[in-house]
Amino acid sequence: GIQVEQSPPDLILQEGANSTLRCNFSDSVNNLQWFHQNPWGQLINLFYIPSGTKQNGRLSATTVATERYSLLYISSSQTTDSGVYFCAVTSMDSSYKLIFGSGTRLLVRP
Amino acid sequence: DADVTQTPRNRITKTGKRIMLECSQTKGHDRMYWYRQDPGLGLRLIYYSFDVKDINKGEISDGYSVSRQAQAKFSLSLESAIPNQTALYFCATSDPASYEQYFGPGTRLTVT
Repeated sequence: GIQVEQSPPDLILQEGANSTLRCNFSDSVNNLQWFHQNPWGQLINLFYIPSGTKQNGRLSATTVATERYSLLYISSSQTTDSGVYFCAVTSMDSSYKLIFGSGTRLLVRP
Repeated sequence: DADVTQTPRNRITKTGKRIMLECSQTKGHDRMYWYRQDPGLGLRLIYYSFDVKDINKGEISDGYSVSRQAQAKFSLSLESAIPNQTALYFCATSDPASYEQYFGPGTRLTVT
């Protein structure tokens, strides 16, 4: 089945810094989503981005489907950005099933 | 109000007990899912349903059952809970036109 790899696994930032999180996937996808899981366990939808670029405030994401990767950019990080960021995809042959990466754990220090 | 709700939000139960987790959605989606998350890991699919009469096993369905009572309601049952079912459980819905999935707030289940 499709493999999803995220990097880095852990990231520590000083408040105000910028960061880039990466998601590589091993096959063609018809869905790619980025989520933020906050310290209380809630999953927050950040982006639905099977291709192209989107921006939402300090966050933006780019997916290059032909090269099988997606990037999540966080600018001017805040302590509330702390948590785990997951990338998840559905493959062309199993479009019902979201396959999650193992996540990037982000800590933003004040 | 939230589009996808789950009850209860937290539950502690004993080994061998039957427990039901409930999910309701107001998004009008036909497709609903149950996922499980273990500490430090991503989510894994337990069951999914494309409509009221279509229910399918996911990758880790052993020890679980589901019921789709209506388009808006999808319940997950643990017939006889065991400690390794301690996890965070998420319900989700999706629109088949876009594949995007929307998640509920999660139920934290502890089996002692």
